[in-house]
Amino acid sequence: DAKTTQPTSMDCAEGRAANLPCNHSTISGNEYVYWYRQIHSQGPQYIIHGLKNNETNEMASLIITEDRKSSTLILPHATLRDTAVYYCIVRVNTNAGKSTFGDGTTLTVKP
Amino acid sequence: DAGVIQSPRHEVTEMGQEVTLRCKPISGHNSLFWYRQTMMRGLELLIYFNNNVPIDDSGMPEDRFSAKMPNASFSTLKIQPSEPRDSAVYFCASSTTGANTIYFGEGSWLTVV
Repeated sequence: DAKTTQPTSMDCAEGRAANLPCNHSTISGNEYVYWYRQIHSQGPQYIIHGLKNNETNEMASLIITEDRKSSTLILPHATLRDTAVYYCIVRVNTNAGKSTFGDGTTLTVKP
Repeated sequence: DAGVIQSPRHEVTEMGQEVTLRCKPISGHNSLFWYRQTMMRGLELLIYFNNNVPIDDSGMPEDRFSAKMPNASFSTLKIQPSEPRDSAVYFCASSTTGANTIYFGEGSWLTVV
């Protein structure tokens, strides 16, 4: 799996968009970008994934740069319940359980 | 739908005791994963099963750790004898083969004193 780099922590005001960056400059052509989050005292939860096109679902949007060396997870209207550690993972699109979770970004949504 | 179910949620045990953690994967999922999470090492994959067969146990820290999956709906992770450095949160997760994502349980919080 390609290595990813994320900021250690970020703050966001409630109701505002949270933009979480991830650098993955060594990503291979067949590797996808996945995002998970882990709310305190819970197991990690899948958010979204993509290959090269931008993706959107009910939880978030994923913007991947054209050269695929970085991406941004967007939570359009952050709530206090979005406070969590967010993990950016790059891997091939098989065997999801072999994901390598790094340190992630601790997002704190403040009222 | 019931998610991945783990038990016990919390356990405190004395060094040297045997610890057994249990997991029931989501019905229909044929891949099962055991992870360990600590502050120092983050989230680490210990072992995973596919169709009840252990596929990769390279993450199992040492012989004190063992995992079994006797059937499609049950798995155990055993530590014998336990040591204080085994204190961690142990997560079980499941998925279908080749799936994009896996589903984690709530974790078993183990403290060895």
